[in-house]
Amino acid sequence: DAGITQSPRHKVTETGTPVTLRCHQTENHRYMYWYRQDPGHGLRLIHYSYGVKDTDKGEVSDGYSVSRSKTEDFLLTLESATSSQTSVYFCAVGPLTEQYFGPGTRLTVT
Amino acid sequence: RKEVEQDPGPFNVPEGATVAFNCTYSNSASQSFFWYRQDCRKEPKLLMSVYSSGNEDGRFTAQLNRASQYISLLIRDSKLSDSATYLCVVNYNTDKLIFGTGTRLQVFP
Repeated sequence: DAGITQSPRHKVTETGTPVTLRCHQTENHRYMYWYRQDPGHGLRLIHYSYGVKDTDKGEVSDGYSVSRSKTEDFLLTLESATSSQTSVYFCAVGPLTEQYFGPGTRLTVT
Repeated sequence: RKEVEQDPGPFNVPEGATVAFNCTYSNSASQSFFWYRQDCRKEPKLLMSVYSSGNEDGRFTAQLNRASQYISLLIRDSKLSDSATYLCVVNYNTDKLIFGTGTRLQVFP
């Protein structure tokens, strides 16, 4: 157990509204990642962080932004939610050789 | 062509059976390989890394074939608790992992 929590666990929101998802870890991992998982696709990387205030884009970063002001928290923001962003979002921490995932957030954009 | 491809299954096998999954990858520069397990509506969890010489962990054996660019996972003596989706994961020596879409295994009594 890598001490990862995500909040909220479930959210329904309307198109055009901003949404922020939170990932919190207790193990002081340097690397943190945000993925989305959709049917027919593998987990796809949205953004990742390699330290406080150090972030980079993944393969599906359009429409998303992130922030990491503390080691333990990594926030994912959907600037203006769209129906295509309906998905399950997973946070992960740790080195590439052994990533630990949070329980996920189910987001529905109506 | 997808970077990592897996047969989605489902593979339906009886308890005690041996089952094998293959996964192919497209980038010959791939450096690291993993199998993750994901239970229904849960997060993925690392099952095992895959080493060039092949490796075993109890009933699970992972193999890597660089020449043909595939990795495999063999499960012996299947248990009901092995029912899950198995994700093939590849790293191209960057800061990112590439995940396959998963192979679903259902073990029945």
